[in-house]
Amino acid sequence: KQEVTQIPAALSVPEGENLVLNCSFTDSAIYNLQWFRQDPGKGLTSLLLIQSSQREQTSGRLNASLDKSSGRSTLYIAASQPGDSATYLCAVPQAGTALIFGKGTTLSVSS
Amino acid sequence: ETGVTQSPTHLIKTRGQQVTLRCSSQSGHNTVSWYQQALGQGPQFIFQYYREEENGRGNFPPRFSGLQFPNYSSELNVNALELDDSALYLCASSLAGARGTDNEQFFGPGTRLTVL
Repeated sequence: KQEVTQIPAALSVPEGENLVLNCSFTDSAIYNLQWFRQDPGKGLTSLLLIQSSQREQTSGRLNASLDKSSGRSTLYIAASQPGDSATYLCAVPQAGTALIFGKGTTLSVSS
Repeated sequence: ETGVTQSPTHLIKTRGQQVTLRCSSQSGHNTVSWYQQALGQGPQFIFQYYREEENGRGNFPPRFSGLQFPNYSSELNVNALELDDSALYLCASSLAGARGTDNEQFFGPGTRLTVL
């Protein structure tokens, strides 16, 4: 059974810092991994999807890496801004249907 | 291109009642998945519909049921509501190939259900 863990659960940083969010999964037989952002009480916004054949994906100040063999992914946020404050979730597909989510990392960026 | 929409935004029901939540898929998508997100937790998979048929189900009782329509919109029905059903219900759409949901899922804004 696939399990997804995210560390840390919460993170507070001053504006301008570079930071790394971690995601680990127990079953390395995944097709892809997806990172999402969630603002309080809102839906999920897809940030990046990394296919299993890829090592990393970049979108603006975000860079996500994937190491299937070790069951890990990282989301790197460069030059953090207060607007980046949100919960970040990673998810992997299981059995071709369900996305299995971690509990998320809640990020707070202070100005 | 229209994104995923859900209705209603908020809903308050009492224990034992029934509720129907609605979702419109993103244009061109043929697969809809439903998730339940309790406070402070990641979303939990309820079920998925692909071309109007259930294509996978999570660990939820039969009182959670769904439908997908020919236009790929979907409903989630919950009977005999319990207090623990209070959560944010999220709908996601995707364009699935032969292997099911290997592709990016796009989520709606969610419906906040409160059961009193």
